[in-house]
Amino acid sequence: DMKVTQMPRYLIKRMGENVLLECGQDMSHETMYWYRQDPGLGLQLIYISYDVDSNSEGDIPKGYRVSRKKREHFSLILDSAKTNQTSVYFCASSLSLTGNTEVFFGKGTRLTVV
Amino acid sequence: GDSVTQTEGQVTVSESKSLIINCTYSATSIGYPNLFWYVRYPGEGLQLLLKVITAGQKGSSRGFEATYNKEATSFHLQKASVQESDSAVYYCALTGGNNKLTFGQGTVLSVIP
Repeated sequence: DMKVTQMPRYLIKRMGENVLLECGQDMSHETMYWYRQDPGLGLQLIYISYDVDSNSEGDIPKGYRVSRKKREHFSLILDSAKTNQTSVYFCASSLSLTGNTEVFFGKGTRLTVV
Repeated sequence: GDSVTQTEGQVTVSESKSLIINCTYSATSIGYPNLFWYVRYPGEGLQLLLKVITAGQKGSSRGFEATYNKEATSFHLQKASVQESDSAVYYCALTGGNNKLTFGQGTVLSVIP
């Protein structure tokens, strides 16, 4: 079963706390992504990972970092969360970074920073 | 840079009626873009609905269609007769020369039974 799994699905954190969002995929995909979506905006790319320990900033990386130590697992870390990081975060994966490859998405994590 | 515009944030249609969701794009790389429609059903992640990588071609899936119109830079999503189960959020997207997906803001489709 091809799946991208995100944990947790819902999270409430206080401003200044550290946040860890976890993502796993069971398809042995090389490429993984983290996006966020805010009301009225499309999904915005935070980070992209081409493989283990091979990560690259996306369009909005400020305030985030990532870790990929295993091909099937990709974490998003917020050091000292801010209220403007309240959003829905989507993890995704694809077989490779080619332009017409299907991207598979997780169900999202709704993060609220208070 | 590349961009995708969906003009309707929300669309409400009665069951069995026709649907069109508008999408226009701007792409900077020669020979591109590849065009996609993704859909997110309630409680689920985004999933690919259809894609078209050649200008002038039409893609179709689950009764939905979209034609890659390079002259109009459009990729509108259409369905002749919607069902209540089509209620979801629809995202138009493209990949350009950098091979990264650029999304529109999404259109919430509500189908009234």
